[in-house]
Amino acid sequence: AQKITQTQPGMFVQEKEAVTLDCTYDTSDQSYGLFWYKQPSSGEMIFLIYQGSYDEQNATEGRYSLNFQKARKSANLVISASQLGDSAMYFCAMREGERDSSYKLIFGSGTRLLVRP
Amino acid sequence: DAMVIQNPRYQVTQFGKPVTLSCSQTLNHNVMYWYQQKSSQAPKLLFHYYDKDFNNEADTPDNFQSRRPNTSFCFLDIRSPGLGDAAMYLCATSRDRYEGNQPQHFGDGTRLSIL
Repeated sequence: AQKITQTQPGMFVQEKEAVTLDCTYDTSDQSYGLFWYKQPSSGEMIFLIYQGSYDEQNATEGRYSLNFQKARKSANLVISASQLGDSAMYFCAMREGERDSSYKLIFGSGTRLLVRP
Repeated sequence: DAMVIQNPRYQVTQFGKPVTLSCSQTLNHNVMYWYQQKSSQAPKLLFHYYDKDFNNEADTPDNFQSRRPNTSFCFLDIRSPGLGDAAMYLCATSRDRYEGNQPQHFGDGTRLSIL
């Protein structure tokens, strides 16, 4: 079974509008971390935001916020006031905290976002 | 600015001809990772160094090797590239292996083409 699921292969959003990118995860660990990365067409992976499993508040970083629903095992990324430069591939990733493999980031398959002018 | 730098950005090599990709970092991080990313796919971890300790992923082909001569530099060697090795190769660093809230910091990647 996939540990990180991103069900939206591609999405469109109008410039200046908000958009939500979905991410669900599967783990039996109580301690884990969730990350979102942005990858423009040029290739670099840019860290956007982090949410820890024990964090009670949803993470926010500027125009990025994470809608963390622990019981539903979802960690959706919300981008407010979309800009043309937000057009990119977005990856959700998880690090499980209670096993030997917890150095690894487990990536979802990504969502390609296109912002329309 | 502290960063992760990969050279070159684009590399073209011939089928079977050894190639080396390089990564350097000014973050003084203990861990350096190498990922392979094929078109429209998620990055796939090949191996990582924790300080001088090399850790290979179980499904990484023997064709891929790595060297870390010092804290700042890490190299990816592909001994006999095949057509299936054409991909983006991403280097990343993190301060430590098991600090759950620490992100991995990525370089810009090297896009490898095989003729």
